[in-house]
Amino acid sequence: GQQVMQIPQYQHVQEGEDFTTYCNSSTTLSNIQWYKQRPGGHPVFLIQLVKSGEVKKQKRLTFQFGEAKKNSSLHITATQTTDVGTYFCAGPYAGGTSYGKLTFGQGTILTVHP
Amino acid sequence: DTGVSQDPRHKITKRGQNVTFRCDPISEHNRLYWYRQTLGQGPEFLTYFQNEAQLEKSRLLSDRFSAERPKGSFSTLEIQRTEQGDSAMYLCASSFQREYNEQFFGPGTRLTVL
Repeated sequence: GQQVMQIPQYQHVQEGEDFTTYCNSSTTLSNIQWYKQRPGGHPVFLIQLVKSGEVKKQKRLTFQFGEAKKNSSLHITATQTTDVGTYFCAGPYAGGTSYGKLTFGQGTILTVHP
Repeated sequence: DTGVSQDPRHKITKRGQNVTFRCDPISEHNRLYWYRQTLGQGPEFLTYFQNEAQLEKSRLLSDRFSAERPKGSFSTLEIQRTEQGDSAMYLCASSFQREYNEQFFGPGTRLTVL
């Protein structure tokens, strides 16, 4: 079955440093979505990438979708303490009709030291 | 508050008891999803509905789990004869029906089976 892997599992940074998490799928994805979960909270949608090679930016966050639509990355520039949380990538299989079924990676836990 | 709501937020039960959780999606959304999340892992897909139809159910879901969405609005997830391994956070999410759709998560129901 489809597997989505994320690395690293944990990342500790000093405030102001950059952060990157990588997401790899065993199968081609129709799209990739990124979610953020604060400690004690629930996943909150950040962004969706659909096109091969797509790059999107949200302020200090940059998201990329690989050419083969099997990998993605999230880069945060100059981290702040408000960036603390777990970042998940998720995506449905390409093809088929299960657009609703998201397979999540195990997440990257980001801690930021002030 | 027009977000996804779940009830109860916490449930403690003894092994062998039945439990039922409720999810109220965002009113305009016709897709509803159930996920299970354990510590250190990403949400794991359980099942999803489009209106009142249950379109997909995870093969990992045992026969003790059943979900309904009788009128295409709220949904219930029932676990019969609970086991300690069922202890987890049960998350509900909803979305619009379209090919690429971000999911909006509720706060979850944390189940503890003693």
